[in-house]
Amino acid sequence: QKEVEQDPGPLSVPEGAIVSLNCTYSNSAFQYFMWYRQYSRKGPELLMYTYSSGNKEDGRFTAQVDKSSKYISLFIRDSQPSDSATYLCAMTPLNTGNQFYFGTGTSLTVIP
Amino acid sequence: GAGVSQSPSNKVTEKGKDVELRCDPISGHTALYWYRQSLGQGLEFLIYFQGNSAPDKSGLPSDRFSAERTGGSVSTLTIQRTQQEDSAVYLCASSLEVAGHNEKLFFGSGTQLSVL
Repeated sequence: QKEVEQDPGPLSVPEGAIVSLNCTYSNSAFQYFMWYRQYSRKGPELLMYTYSSGNKEDGRFTAQVDKSSKYISLFIRDSQPSDSATYLCAMTPLNTGNQFYFGTGTSLTVIP
Repeated sequence: GAGVSQSPSNKVTEKGKDVELRCDPISGHTALYWYRQSLGQGLEFLIYFQGNSAPDKSGLPSDRFSAERTGGSVSTLTIQRTQQEDSAVYLCASSLEVAGHNEKLFFGSGTQLSVL
C-alpha cells in the first residue's frame, strides 16, 4: 500500500464549477499537509499548507484535513481556465530529517 | 536568489554518457532534496541534504547515481553511464529548517533529461 493515494483523474470541469481534489493516507504520524500546483513543464508550486484538522481558506481555495479519517481535500471555487494544472498533495511527519510523501497528482482541466 | 534555480533546463544525452545536473537553492535554506518525476508517475525521492551532509540517500536507484552539496548551497546530481530508463524530469527543492524539522518545500523548474 502506498503511503499516499490520489486519484490521477483526469478531471474536466466547466469554468465556474467547484472542484474537489482528494488524497488518503495511511501513516497516522503525518502532521503537516500541503497542496502543490504544477503547470506543464514547470516545477510544483506550493499552494496551501496546514497543520491541523479542519478547514483553511485562501481566496478561492480551501484545504480540508480530517486526521481521524486520514483524508485531505482541496476545494477550488469558481474555477478558472488558469486553474488547469496537475495538483499534488504532500504530507510529512515533521520529525527530524523528515521526508515528504507525495500523491501521484490529479490532472485538472477547466473548460472555458 | 529569489527561487530555486536548476540547470540545464533540458539535457539530451547518449546512452552510456555521464551527466551532471545542478541545483542552486533559495539562499538560507539548509535542506535540499532531489526528486525524479517520470511521465504519469509521482515524485520519486532520491536524496536529502541537511547542510553539506546527506543523512538520507535511500532513494538513489543505483550506484550510478551520486550527489554532493558544497558550502551548504549548490548541489550537483551526477548520473554515470546513463540508461534510457533514467529519462525523466529531475526536480530539486529546498526548505528552511524550523524548530528542528523542514517544511514548505520550494521546487525548481526541473531538468528534463532525455537519454537516447
